[in-house]
Amino acid sequence: DQQVKQNSPSLSVQEGRISILNCDYTNSMFDYFLWYKKYPAEGPTFLISISSIKDKNEDGRFTVFLNKSAKHLSLHIVPSQPGDSAVYFCAASDLNTDKLIFGTGTRLQVFP
Amino acid sequence: DVKVTQSSRYLVKRTGEKVFLECVQDMDHENMFWYRQDPGLGLRLIYFSYDVKMKEKGDIPEGYSVSREKKERFSLILESASTNQTSMYLCASSPLSLTDSYEQYFGPGTRLTVT
Repeated sequence: DQQVKQNSPSLSVQEGRISILNCDYTNSMFDYFLWYKKYPAEGPTFLISISSIKDKNEDGRFTVFLNKSAKHLSLHIVPSQPGDSAVYFCAASDLNTDKLIFGTGTRLQVFP
Repeated sequence: DVKVTQSSRYLVKRTGEKVFLECVQDMDHENMFWYRQDPGLGLRLIYFSYDVKMKEKGDIPEGYSVSREKKERFSLILESASTNQTSMYLCASSPLSLTDSYEQYFGPGTRLTVT
């Protein structure tokens, strides 16, 4: 059973516009959420995270929003750039474990 | 900077061969992980280790084993490779979550093809 879901396998956005990537989870014990970015033939790299005690975290062009009641988080990229084209994974961790549960990923393409 | 290295970027093996994938991290992290990435399935955890000689099964351990003899090194072993083990294998490490960080640091991956 998929505890972390990314229902959009792909997203195409024009350069300069906002990209919104979504992630839903089912386990209410998750207390920390992360976004990773992955280019082809490379390992994922950490992008941004948020603790369950917050509802927003911002880092430059990247903002993550957490809606605990809806068990939903989203990543906003503003403005989008061609170099942002990659696969984005959301991940979650619960109390008492160091494991991460990953979603299936969303491929973002930013076109000029 | 944390560095996680994997022994091979690309590997081609035959069905039935024993395959070793090596991973080394240089940040004295306690935790190490092996994942495989397949299209549409995301990253799935195979095994992880939170200390030397300790290991725990992840979500898809069947057909795999691991070894952690030294803190910095975590090996994934395919006892008898099969074609359904063709995948991208990713190693990661992290400090204990007591540091309030769940971030994992990934290696570049090994693209394994089993023919």
